[in-house]
Amino acid sequence: GEDVEQSLFLSVREGDSSVINCTYTDSSSTYLYWYKQEPGAGLQLLTYIFSNMDMKQDQRLTVLLNKKDKHLSLRIADTQTGDSAIYFCAEGDHTGTASKLTFGTGTRLQVTL
Amino acid sequence: DAGVTQSPTHLIKTRGQQVTLRCSPKSGHDTVSWYQQALGQGPQFIFQYYEEEERQRGNFPDRFSGHQFPNYSSELNVNALLLGDSALYLCASSPPTGGYGYTFGSGTRLTVV
Repeated sequence: GEDVEQSLFLSVREGDSSVINCTYTDSSSTYLYWYKQEPGAGLQLLTYIFSNMDMKQDQRLTVLLNKKDKHLSLRIADTQTGDSAIYFCAEGDHTGTASKLTFGTGTRLQVTL
Repeated sequence: DAGVTQSPTHLIKTRGQQVTLRCSPKSGHDTVSWYQQALGQGPQFIFQYYEEEERQRGNFPDRFSGHQFPNYSSELNVNALLLGDSALYLCASSPPTGGYGYTFGSGTRLTVV
């Protein structure tokens, strides 16, 4: 079955880079996602990567995918206090009619001054 | 352009009661998925509706049921509420073209006492 794992907590200083890691098990995943959740809010899609890519960059965000090791990472450059939130990695199987997302437990990012 | 809207935002119910949560998808989206997010956990897939039918279901008991209307809006019903049903319930919609366009609502916080 599908399983997604993330470390629970990461603390970085403002201005530094943050790297949040994720491992997944489902080799049929077609897309991998990063979502951000602020307190009391829903999920905000940050970025996604198709499973046949190994890197995607979007402004301050860089996603790296190692499909062989089933490892996904999100790098946030120049981390700001507004980046403090919980970050969820999710894998999506969009083959056929199946299109559910399987989420990790989330990584809480704390940005300190 | 309104995103995904959910109602109510908060709800308190007594164990054994029944509850109905509502979701209006983003304009142009025709597929609605429901997720349960327990405190400190990642969202768990409940089910997905497309063309007014349940297309896929996660590992949730039959107490959880849903409906999709011709205007693509959806309801999630939970019968015989248990204390363990207390969670944030998230609705996500996606467009006809593919699942990677998921947009999440802000959720309904259900507390069962």
